[in-house]
Amino acid sequence: NAGVTQTPKFQVLKTGQSMTLQCAQDMNHNSMYWYRQDPGMGLRLIYYSASEGTTDKGEVPNGYNVSRLNKREFSLRLESAAPSQTSVYFCASKDTQAQPQHFGDGTRLSIL
Amino acid sequence: GNSVTQMEGPVTLSEEAFLTINCTYTATGYPSLFWYVQYPGEGLQLLLKATKADDKGSNKGFEATYRKETTSFHLEKGSVQVSDSAVYFCALTPRPGRRALTFGSGTRLQVQP
Repeated sequence: NAGVTQTPKFQVLKTGQSMTLQCAQDMNHNSMYWYRQDPGMGLRLIYYSASEGTTDKGEVPNGYNVSRLNKREFSLRLESAAPSQTSVYFCASKDTQAQPQHFGDGTRLSIL
Repeated sequence: GNSVTQMEGPVTLSEEAFLTINCTYTATGYPSLFWYVQYPGEGLQLLLKATKADDKGSNKGFEATYRKETTSFHLEKGSVQVSDSAVYFCALTPRPGRRALTFGSGTRLQVQP
C-alpha cells in the first residue's frame, strides 16, 4: 500500500546548494505532478508530466527542473537553492481524467 | 483562468457542532470538484468528489453538492469531532485532459472537546 513515496521527508540546505527531490508511485499512473505548499496559498503547481517522456511547466516553474525517469518516477531538482524556495513540496499522481490525484506525504525543505 | 476561493480560517467549533466551509470556483466548461483534507504532518487525502452538476459527494459524514448555478461546492458535516481537526482544501480540475488541480488556499478547522 505504498502509493506515492517521496524522499527525503526533511532537508535543510544552504543558499546556492543543489538538491533533487525524489518521487515514485506504484499505481501505474500516467500523470505525475509536483506542487509546493506555502502558508495561506494552498498548493501551487510547479511542473507536471502527463505521460512518460513528457513534462510541462505549471504555475511556478522558475528555479526548478524535472525529470520523468520512467513511468514510476518523477524527480524535482533545485539547481541553486534560494530562501524563497523554502516550502513543503508534494508529489502527486493520477490515471484517467476523472480520477482524483493521490499525494505523497511531502518533503519539508528549508533553505538558509 | 481557473480559480477556487475558500472561506478564511481558522474555523473553531465545539464537538458535535454543524460545519460549513464555503467554496466557490471560476472555471470554463464543466470541471470536476474535490475536497481534500490534510491532517497535521501528513499529505493530502481525497475526502470527496463530484464530477457533474447536482452530484453530491459524501464520505465520513462530510457532504458537498456541485452547484453549477452558484458555482459552489460547500463542505458540510452535521456533527464534527475532535478528530476532524485538519486543513481542508477545495480544488478543481478542468475537463478534458489530465490536468493538474487548482486549489483554494485551505481552511483550518479546529474542533474543541
